[in-house]
Amino acid sequence: GNSVTQMEGPVTLSEEAFLTINCTYTATGYPSLFWYVQYPGEGLQLLLKATKADDKGSNKGFEATYRKETTSFHLEKGSVQVSDSAVYFCALSEELADNDMRFGAGTRLTVKP
Amino acid sequence: DSGVTQTPKHLITATGQRVTLRCSPRSGDLSVYWYQQSLDQGLQFLIQYYNGEERAKGNILERFSAQQFPDLHSELNLSSLELGDSALYFCASSVQGASYNEQFFGPGTRLTVL
Repeated sequence: GNSVTQMEGPVTLSEEAFLTINCTYTATGYPSLFWYVQYPGEGLQLLLKATKADDKGSNKGFEATYRKETTSFHLEKGSVQVSDSAVYFCALSEELADNDMRFGAGTRLTVKP
Repeated sequence: DSGVTQTPKHLITATGQRVTLRCSPRSGDLSVYWYQQSLDQGLQFLIQYYNGEERAKGNILERFSAQQFPDLHSELNLSSLELGDSALYFCASSVQGASYNEQFFGPGTRLTVL
């Protein structure tokens, strides 16, 4: 079945450092890919998404490119801030398969001043 | 604020009991999803309703059930509760039934089973 694997955390960075959180997926067809962010005490929020190969999703300085050849959707940000501290979830959804969203385990990011 | 509301925010109960969690989707959203988030299992999809009908089922236990009412709010019923059911339960909503539509998450209900 469909699944998502993302790098284990926690990740601790200094402010203005470069961030990469790796995400790879397994899918039977052509899924849509998502990054969600969960700030402390809150529900998940969509950060960005890509619906087909080579699409780049971007939001709030974060980017991720849908790479079909490597089945990856790595999250990057050039300069992180303390306010980016949160848990990040990679997810995929493929309507024709089983119509549910599959989430990775989540990666906790802490950014120190 | 996502526009999705969940009540109650916290729930403490004993093993063997039954509880009901409530979710109101964003105005105009027809689809409601339920998720369970626990430390050992991560975020697990439980079930989806679209316009009152069950649309997709995930890792939902037989002791759990859900429904979506004509006003589109949804309830998740958890019965014969066990210690392992302690978790955060999230509701999400989206405009249409396809799960690749953006989902808007509520703040969650934290269930503690003692």
